[in-house]
Amino acid sequence: QVQLQESGPGLVKPSETLSLTCSVSGGSISSYYWNWIRQPPGKGLEWIGYIYYSGSTNYNPSLKSRVTILLDTSKSQFSLKLNSVTAADTAIYFCARGSGNYAPIGEIDYWGQGTLVTVSS
Amino acid sequence: QSVLTQPPSASGTPGQRVTISCSGSSSNIGSNYVYWYQQLPGTAPKLLIYRNNQRPSGVPDRFSVSKSATSASLAISGLRSEDEADYYCAAWDDSLSGHYVFGTGTKVTVL
Repeated sequence: QVQLQESGPGLVKPSETLSLTCSVSGGSISSYYWNWIRQPPGKGLEWIGYIYYSGSTNYNPSLKSRVTILLDTSKSQFSLKLNSVTAADTAIYFCARGSGNYAPIGEIDYWGQGTLVTVSS
Repeated sequence: QSVLTQPPSASGTPGQRVTISCSGSSSNIGSNYVYWYQQLPGTAPKLLIYRNNQRPSGVPDRFSVSKSATSASLAISGLRSEDEADYYCAAWDDSLSGHYVFGTGTKVTVL
């Protein structure tokens, strides 16, 4: 069974960089789209971006200038960096796998449990 | 700001049928597959429907979908208490070099 686990600081200061890592176990990191998705407390889901196993990336246009997603296949991990954060970036951050079936990303079939990141001084 | 619009809430009594709409445009629902996710309180979303109308193993056929030109609907028949959750539609959007979009979400309450 594929499992994803987010890790990283739960508190980030305004203007600094939010960094999270997602560890993938129970399956190959190849041939899939690896996504970051966030959810502000009490609000809806927002797709942040993906990295394909080949290393290509695609980001939400509204966040593109601040986001970097990297892949480390040797460790079966991918990471998120979001710079110049503000309170509006406070959210639960999920890492998730896209199947890539028949479409970019395809269905998102496995999700991490999510980790709350608060932006505050 | 989401480009897929859903009603904020829907409700029904056990056994009833509830329908959730998802309104998009030609660049997303109109030209790409629609996905539906269920998010139970305090948990990560779970895939409910993929590729317009396919159900993953374990998802009961009480959940059904329909799709027209630029909109889609999720119907829950025989409503059960365990269906109380947030439901999100999603699709790939071909605009702006392509990106994934989620609906605004619908909270389903079982009365």
